[in-house]
Amino acid sequence: NAGVTQTPKFQVLKTGQSMTLQCAQDMNHEYMSWYRQDPGMGLRLIHYSVGAGITDQGEVPNGYNVSRSTTEDFPLRLLSAAPSQTSVYFCASSSSSYEQYFGPGTRLTVT
Amino acid sequence: AQSVSQHNHHVILSEAASLELGCNYSYGGTVNLFWYVQYPGQHLQLLLKYFSGDPLVKGIKGFEAEFIKSKFSFNLRKPSVQWSDTAEYFCAVNAGAAGNKLTFGGGTRVLVKP
Repeated sequence: NAGVTQTPKFQVLKTGQSMTLQCAQDMNHEYMSWYRQDPGMGLRLIHYSVGAGITDQGEVPNGYNVSRSTTEDFPLRLLSAAPSQTSVYFCASSSSSYEQYFGPGTRLTVT
Repeated sequence: AQSVSQHNHHVILSEAASLELGCNYSYGGTVNLFWYVQYPGQHLQLLLKYFSGDPLVKGIKGFEAEFIKSKFSFNLRKPSVQWSDTAEYFCAVNAGAAGNKLTFGGGTRVLVKP
């Protein structure tokens, strides 16, 4: 099993550009989530999904969209990138056991 | 809304010293508690977790944590650290009513000097 995979690993965007961060898991987990990690602030939940077709907002959802058309994939879209979205983004998945498995992260810089 | 606080942002230790990292949370109901570790350049890995039962839980790499319900705390300990324990450590809480959502503390960067 590959676990949770994320692409790309690094990305540089200009302000106003859009992009999609990809996340996939092969553990058949129902729950998936996106976090951003900023120094001194830990990880903050952006959006999450409890199953295909169901998504909800987390703590810091503004500027991000998600969709969940399959159990395996949970892409995160930045519609119009801003410098405040410079961060490291982690995708995670979990089953009913609550233990979350994290992907390797995407380091995003917005100039 | 629940919150998680980690008291120390940075800790510097020498090898063989003992480590204790504090974690407090602000939710009065049933909680599931986790400690994750992030080694330099890597993603988060689970160190240990507490769901119920014995409040002293043992995790990987010699780490343990104690859940003290009356103090809303879940402190992480290791009796003797190694240089390879240099990492950032995150406490996380899942409130029973919040489904699978985790709330993380701000993290503690631990530097172990050889």
